[in-house]
Amino acid sequence: EPEVTQTPSHQVTQMGQEVILHCVPISNHLYFYWYRQILGQKVEFLVSFYNNEISEKSEIFDDQFSVERPDGSNFTLKIRSTKLEDSAMYFCASRTTGLGEQFFGPGTRLTVL
Amino acid sequence: GIQVEQSPPDLILQEGANSTLRCNFSDSVNNLQWFHQNPWGQLINLFYIPSGTKQNGRLSATTVATERYSLLYISSSQTTDSGVYFCAVPTYGGATNKLIFGTGTLLAVQP
Repeated sequence: EPEVTQTPSHQVTQMGQEVILHCVPISNHLYFYWYRQILGQKVEFLVSFYNNEISEKSEIFDDQFSVERPDGSNFTLKIRSTKLEDSAMYFCASRTTGLGEQFFGPGTRLTVL
Repeated sequence: GIQVEQSPPDLILQEGANSTLRCNFSDSVNNLQWFHQNPWGQLINLFYIPSGTKQNGRLSATTVATERYSLLYISSSQTTDSGVYFCAVPTYGGATNKLIFGTGTLLAVQP
């Protein structure tokens, strides 16, 4: 069964460093998402991506964040200069068209020291 | 925006017991998803259930969209059912349909 994959599973970085989180969505999906979950809290939407551009972003998604689909399979989230408060679980998700189900990857746990 | 509330916030069960988790949402929705977050933090898709009832093994879910709630039933609970259960509903507009997650129910199943 097709699934969304994410790498790495855990990333530890120093404050101020750049990190790139990687996702491979399901191959025939057209809509891509990043969500974030701070420890002990609920999952929050960060950004959605469709037709090679951002379709919506949340207030969290400031100038320090960017997303890219560099080829036909990968979808990345970059944080340019990490802060302590960026420590969280980051989930990638994808779906086909219409109002379909979103499929989530296993997440990347980001720890900023 | 749409509000999603879940109850109870915490639940402790003995292995073998049954439970019902509830998800209330403040506006009309065309679909709803249930997830299980395991102790490693992974989100596992349980159900995509716009309306009606679906069953998958010991788990089943019912969504009554007209009354703005969904229920997740867990029967004969096992310790591996422990974790946080989230429901999520999509918002509409443009190409987004981002999911709004509920507050979650933390389930602990004791042997």
